[in-house]
Amino acid sequence: NAGVTQTPKFQVLKTGQSMTLQCAQDMNHNSMYWYRQDPGMGLRLIYYSASEGTTDKGEVPNGYNVSRLNKREFSLRLESAAPSQTSVYFCASSVRTGNTEAFFGQGTRLTVV
Amino acid sequence: AQTVTQSQPEMSVQEAETVTLSCTYDTSESDYYLFWYKQPPSRQMILVIRQEAYKQQNATENRFSVNFQKAAKSFSLKISDSQLGDAAMYFCAYRGPYSGGGADGLTFGKGTHLIIQP
Repeated sequence: NAGVTQTPKFQVLKTGQSMTLQCAQDMNHNSMYWYRQDPGMGLRLIYYSASEGTTDKGEVPNGYNVSRLNKREFSLRLESAAPSQTSVYFCASSVRTGNTEAFFGQGTRLTVV
Repeated sequence: AQTVTQSQPEMSVQEAETVTLSCTYDTSESDYYLFWYKQPPSRQMILVIRQEAYKQQNATENRFSVNFQKAAKSFSLKISDSQLGDAAMYFCAYRGPYSGGGADGLTFGKGTHLIIQP
């Protein structure tokens, strides 16, 4: 039972490079999320997709774009990476929005040099 | 906006002892969920326990239990008979109803680093 799968697990980018973080869930969940985790900051919401075909900004969306490719997949794109985007990125999914628990992927450690 | 505060950046406990991690939150909602997540060095976010605000009974999962005080907006986690495998970062998180007017998703505290002394 895979749950939420993120790729890659680690990535090093140079400033200005672009990349896409991939996320897929096999739980038939409607809602998906991208968070970033910085030291001493907890997790903060970047973007989310309440249902297939919709995306919305979270707390820290600047510098990112997302695509809900289908019900299973939700990608996060950095168009021009900056050192401030060095972080651990988590994808999560929920059966629906609102009062329900979230299931997390294993995280991607991204370093921008 | 909702906020979650964990006032203990780090806690230390002897193996087999009991430890309580504190969490307070702020919300104007009456129906919401609260969670404790564990993050070991592997980085994986593991759900430890959840509490539904409309339930007065405190949630319990084996050695983990919560003290949910809705009026005080307090949600502490008690770990009994601490084990070396409990060493991790612990995050308190809030999730409220989604009306479409604000962002969905979890609001996290900054975490408490739990150290287990053998």
